[in-house]
Amino acid sequence: NAGVTQTPKFQVLKTGQSMTLQCAQDMNHNSMYWYRQDPGMGLRLIYYSASEGTTDKGEVPNGYNVSRLNKREFSLRLESAAPSQTSVYFCASSQQGAAVFSYEQYFGPGTRLTVT
Amino acid sequence: TQLLEQSPQFLSIQEGENLTVYCNSSSVFSSLQWYRQEPGEGPVLLVTVVTGGEVKKLKRLTFQFGDARKDSSLHITAAQPGDTGLYLCAGARYGGSQGNLIFGKGTKLSVKP
Repeated sequence: NAGVTQTPKFQVLKTGQSMTLQCAQDMNHNSMYWYRQDPGMGLRLIYYSASEGTTDKGEVPNGYNVSRLNKREFSLRLESAAPSQTSVYFCASSQQGAAVFSYEQYFGPGTRLTVT
Repeated sequence: TQLLEQSPQFLSIQEGENLTVYCNSSSVFSSLQWYRQEPGEGPVLLVTVVTGGEVKKLKRLTFQFGDARKDSSLHITAAQPGDTGLYLCAGARYGGSQGNLIFGKGTKLSVKP
């Protein structure tokens, strides 16, 4: 099992360009998440999908859109990139079910994005 | 509002020393998790604590959940260079959306040989 995979690993964009970050999990998890991690700020939730067909905003959703393509895949789109979106982006998944285990999240290796 | 405060922010110690990292909040959590993140990688789950007062051991790592379920600590005995990394605590709030966690900002640990 690969767990959670993310592509690309690195990306450099110019201000105003758009791009989509891809995430896939092979653990049959229902819930998926997108976070950004910035120095001194910790992990902040951008969007999440509790189950296939649903998405909800997290703490910092502005400037982003998401698509839950199917149970395995959850993509994050930057429509018009800004330097403030320079960050490391992590996708995670968790299993819905017994309360305790539904909170245990499994993370991908991250996408390092620089917007110039 | 920072709901989970971790301390210290940075810790640099010699191999063989003991250390404790703290995770504190004014909020009550239904469960709390500890993750370790190595440079260039995503966080990896170490443990979940659920019951107030619970103590869990993972080899040289001891995790404790406070009686009131508002705080937690991670104690490492005889630290090794392989313990180097960012340690994150994350809490699941009562009434929060299922699966959503509140993360602390982390403690960056460096263990020198």
